[in-house]
Amino acid sequence: SQKIEQNSEALNIQEGKTATLTCNYTNYSPAYLQWYRQDPGRGPVFLLLIRENEKEKRKERLKVTFDTTLKQSLFHITASQPADSATYLCALGNNAGNMLTFGGGTRLMVKP
Amino acid sequence: DSGVTQTPKHLITATGQRVTLRCSPRSGDLSVYWYQQSLDQGLQFLIQYYNGEERAKGNILERFSAQQFPDLHSELNLSSLELGDSALYFCASSVTALMDEQYFGPGTRLTVT
Repeated sequence: SQKIEQNSEALNIQEGKTATLTCNYTNYSPAYLQWYRQDPGRGPVFLLLIRENEKEKRKERLKVTFDTTLKQSLFHITASQPADSATYLCALGNNAGNMLTFGGGTRLMVKP
Repeated sequence: DSGVTQTPKHLITATGQRVTLRCSPRSGDLSVYWYQQSLDQGLQFLIQYYNGEERAKGNILERFSAQQFPDLHSELNLSSLELGDSALYFCASSVTALMDEQYFGPGTRLTVT
């Protein structure tokens, strides 16, 4: 069955460093992958979408890579700030655009 | 603020009861999605409506149903409630039907006692 794995342990980093979060998947061939940020008790916020034919996408301090051979996406936040502390969710979408499956999320803590 | 509104914010009800959750999408968005988020299951896609028609179905129980009205607002009906239905229910909207960039509402926290 389809499985999406994000590190369930919190990632603790120092302010100013680059945070790298991982999303691995098995038994799935997604057409695209999305990253969302979620703060406690609030709805997810869309960050980036990357399609299967794209290797990398950037938006300000954010960078996403998508390796369909490794079945992995990496999400980077450069020059991290305490305000970046949140849970980050990856979500995989299929070709028909009628299913979106979310990973369990990774909690990022940026310490000043 | 995403522009998606959900009511009520909190709902406490008893097992066996029926509740209705309401969602208004962002202006101009034709797609509405419903999600359930619980601690053990994570964020689960339930159902999508596009311009009034059901477009996609996820892990939605038969006790749950939804609809999208001509003004594009949507309602999620949950019936014969069980303790395990306690969760955060999110509505999201997007411009297209293709489940890309979605804007989530603040959620409704349902507690079944």
